[in-house]
Amino acid sequence: AQSVTQLDSHVSVSEGTPVLLRCNYSSSYSPSLFWYVQHPNKGLQLLLKYTSAATLVKGINGFEAEFKKSETSFHLTKPSAHMSDAAEYFCVVSVRGGSNYKLTFGKGTLLTVNP
Amino acid sequence: GAVVSQHPSWVICKSGTSVKIECRSLDFQATTMFWYRQFPKQSLMLMATSNEGSKATYEQGVEKDKFLINHASLTLSTLTVTSAHPEDSSFYICSASSPGQGYYGYTFGSGTRLTVV
Repeated sequence: AQSVTQLDSHVSVSEGTPVLLRCNYSSSYSPSLFWYVQHPNKGLQLLLKYTSAATLVKGINGFEAEFKKSETSFHLTKPSAHMSDAAEYFCVVSVRGGSNYKLTFGKGTLLTVNP
Repeated sequence: GAVVSQHPSWVICKSGTSVKIECRSLDFQATTMFWYRQFPKQSLMLMATSNEGSKATYEQGVEKDKFLINHASLTLSTLTVTSAHPEDSSFYICSASSPGQGYYGYTFGSGTRLTVV
């Protein structure tokens, strides 16, 4: 069975400092992994995705993530946090269920950015 | 890019009434749509998967008679919460995918906040 574990439920950083949101996955097959961001009372926006191509994935808004098979990790990073980055972040793995691929979500990490 | 419109964005209804939530793919044909439920400060839980023209497949523990899903066209899926009760209050989000997006392509709606009073 596939699953994802987000190691921190809440991360707080100062504006201009680096962001690290940690995610570990468990998968019987080569996984497809995603990071989504959700602002309050909004839907989800895709930040980036890993689909067995380059292990370092660059996404929108300066975010990137590195797929490390040996560590079963897919941590999300950004060199310099902006106030607008404050939101909930979800690490997601794609799971095949019948004829469809379904998404399994981590529990989320709330990112707070302090001025 | 792919856009999914979800309507209404919020709704308040009285206990015992039914509420319909619509999810439309605006610029692509969504062969598969997913409905999620999200409790406050929690992650998204998949409720059901619907393929156009077929009956929805519900996740374990989700009452199919209470949460009616219809996916009658390639651009529209609806979720009807029947005989709503306060415990059904939640944030409901749909997402859509199509073969053209590949199995990596999931576009989410903006969500519907349902409050049952």
